[in-house]
Amino acid sequence: DVKVTQSSRYLVKRTGEKVFLECVQDMDHENMFWYRQDPGLGLRLIYFSYDVKMKEKGDIPEGYSVSREKKERFSLILESASTNQTSMYLCASSLLRGYRNQPQHFGDGTRLSIL
Amino acid sequence: AQRVTQPEKLLSVFKGAPVELKCNYSYSGSPELFWYVQYSRQRLQLLLRHISRESIKGFTADLNKGETSFHLKKPFAQEEDSAMYYCALSGAFGTGTRLQVFP
Repeated sequence: DVKVTQSSRYLVKRTGEKVFLECVQDMDHENMFWYRQDPGLGLRLIYFSYDVKMKEKGDIPEGYSVSREKKERFSLILESASTNQTSMYLCASSLLRGYRNQPQHFGDGTRLSIL
Repeated sequence: AQRVTQPEKLLSVFKGAPVELKCNYSYSGSPELFWYVQYSRQRLQLLLRHISRESIKGFTADLNKGETSFHLKKPFAQEEDSAMYYCALSGAFGTGTRLQVFP
């Protein structure tokens, strides 16, 4: 069974801090994704990556960046955290490179609060 | 551009009642649609996908290209079906519908 692990379940940071959210998958999946999940807004794609060092912007990339130095690890970076980035962040992975029409496997999520 | 609409934020039913969670989509090609479910304090997980044409936990979903819909149905709701349900199209997710099943 695919395991997607997010490094923290809960995180509290201050405005202006640089924040790193880490995600690791153990099934050699090609694609990895970062979403934020907000009530009434559903899941919104921030960034995704279909290969090491490759990334593509999703629907709401502003204020975020990502890093994929190894196939199994995908990091989300908040360059200068702001209160409107308080949210639940979900990491996901899927098997085939670049092909978005396939099931995604999700981590447990990181609930990030920016004070 | 692809788009998924789930018109209901909340659906409340009693145990044993039929359930239909609505999902409409817009997509120019051949869509591949999914339903995901998130139970309380659990991770989001795949419930079913339209190409599988299978029933999972008593749920089914039929793709209707004429109406551009992919509604999720279950004839008799159970309390354990209470969860958040998301319809997804090629990685684009709807806003979700919370299903509450009362005893």
